[in-house]
Amino acid sequence: GGIITQTPKFLIGQEGQKLTLKCQQNFNHDTMYWYRQDSGKGLRLIYYSITENDLQKGDLSEGYDASREKKSSFSLTVTSAQKNEMAVFLCASSIGFNQDTQYFGPGTRLLVL
Amino acid sequence: GQQVQQSPASLVLQEGENAELQCNFSTSLNSMQWFYQRPGGSLVSLFYNPSGTKHSGRLTSTTVIKERRSSLHISSSQTTDSGTYLCASTSSGQKLVFGQGTILKVYL
Repeated sequence: GGIITQTPKFLIGQEGQKLTLKCQQNFNHDTMYWYRQDSGKGLRLIYYSITENDLQKGDLSEGYDASREKKSSFSLTVTSAQKNEMAVFLCASSIGFNQDTQYFGPGTRLLVL
Repeated sequence: GQQVQQSPASLVLQEGENAELQCNFSTSLNSMQWFYQRPGGSLVSLFYNPSGTKHSGRLTSTTVIKERRSSLHISSSQTTDSGTYLCASTSSGQKLVFGQGTILKVYL
C-alpha cells in the first residue's frame, strides 16, 4: 500500500502571510487534490491536478495558488492568510480523475492569528 | 452541479444499536464514496460504491441510482465507530462533491 504525507501537521501564521502546505504520495497516482474542511461545511475542493504540471481550479481557488512540481508532490499556497482563519487542509490522490477511490492525507491544521 | 444532502447531522447511540446514515443527491450519480474520519484524524475510504450493495464487516453501503440516494448501515455499533461519516459523489464529468457529514457518537 501507499501513503500520503502532509507537512506541516500544524501551521500557525500571521494575517497577510504567505503560507505553503506540502503533500507527497507514493501511490504513483496521476491525480492529486487539495480540499479545505471547515466545521459544518464538509469538504470543498480548492485545486486539483490530473497529471504532473497540470493545474485545475476547484470551487474555492480564490486566495490560493498550487503547484504540481512532480507526479508525487502537490503544494498549496495561501497567498494572504486571513485573520481568525481556522481550517483543515486535506490532500488526496487517486488513479484517475474522480473515477476512482480517493485516498486522503492526515491534514494540515491552519490557525491565523 | 451536484448537491449532496446528508442526514442525520448527528447521531448518538448506545453501544450495540444500529445506525443508518443517508445521502441524497440532486443529480444522477457517476461515482459514490463513503468516508470515515476519526476526531482529529484523516479521512479513510470505507466504500467506493456507485451502485448496488457492498459489505465490509459490520458496515453495509447501498446505492440506488434511480432514486439518487446512498445509505450506510452500521450494525452493532461500538464506541470505536464514533467519528464523522462523509459521503461524496460526482455526476458525469464533474468534481467530487461532499455532504456535510454525520457526526456519530457511540457510548457504553
